[in-house]
Amino acid sequence: KNQVEQSPQSLIILEGKNCTLQCNYTVSPFSNLRWYKQDTGRGPVSLTIMTFSENTKSNGRYTATLDADTKQSSLHITASQLSDSASYICVVSANNDYKLSFGAGTTVTVRA
Amino acid sequence: DTEVTQTPKHLVMGMTNKKSLKCEQHMGHRAMYWYKQKAKKPPELMFVYSYEKLSINESVPSRFSPECPNSSLLNLHLHALQPEDSALYLCASSQDPTLFEKLFFGSGTQLSVL
Repeated sequence: KNQVEQSPQSLIILEGKNCTLQCNYTVSPFSNLRWYKQDTGRGPVSLTIMTFSENTKSNGRYTATLDADTKQSSLHITASQLSDSASYICVVSANNDYKLSFGAGTTVTVRA
Repeated sequence: DTEVTQTPKHLVMGMTNKKSLKCEQHMGHRAMYWYKQKAKKPPELMFVYSYEKLSINESVPSRFSPECPNSSLLNLHLHALQPEDSALYLCASSQDPTLFEKLFFGSGTQLSVL
């Protein structure tokens, strides 16, 4: 069964600090991995997407890494801002499956 | 225009009401999706439309009825819903139904069933 697990479930950080979110998956055969940011009551917004051959992708202060051998990904947020408070969802797709596998998300709260 | 627009943003309805959710995109995408998301849970796929035809129905109860009038519009007709159907309903689109990585989500409709 294709699964995506994220950790931690939630975290609180001070404004200006960095943090790293983790995503482990068992989706196979792997097609791509995407990180989304979702504000409460809003739709997810794409941050990064990586295929098998990519191991790092940046989008402003967000940097995602992918280790396809260990089936792990991370999302690093640099110099956090209050607006970074949101749920961050790891989504993995398989080559032979129309369905995306969603992680449960990590809720990030940035405090002043 | 890289947006998926959903209306209304909020909807409160009784169990005997009939209502519709609307979704619109003008990116020329040929696949459109409905997802249901309960609080603090990941989105769950409901329906997939590919080239204006329903291609996937994830065993959704018949009280949810999707419709795709044209390549830019997607509706979800609601009838005789239950309180447990209260959730955030997300519309999404992608360029091609086989390229799931190019998924754009709307802001959602927050539905409350009383």
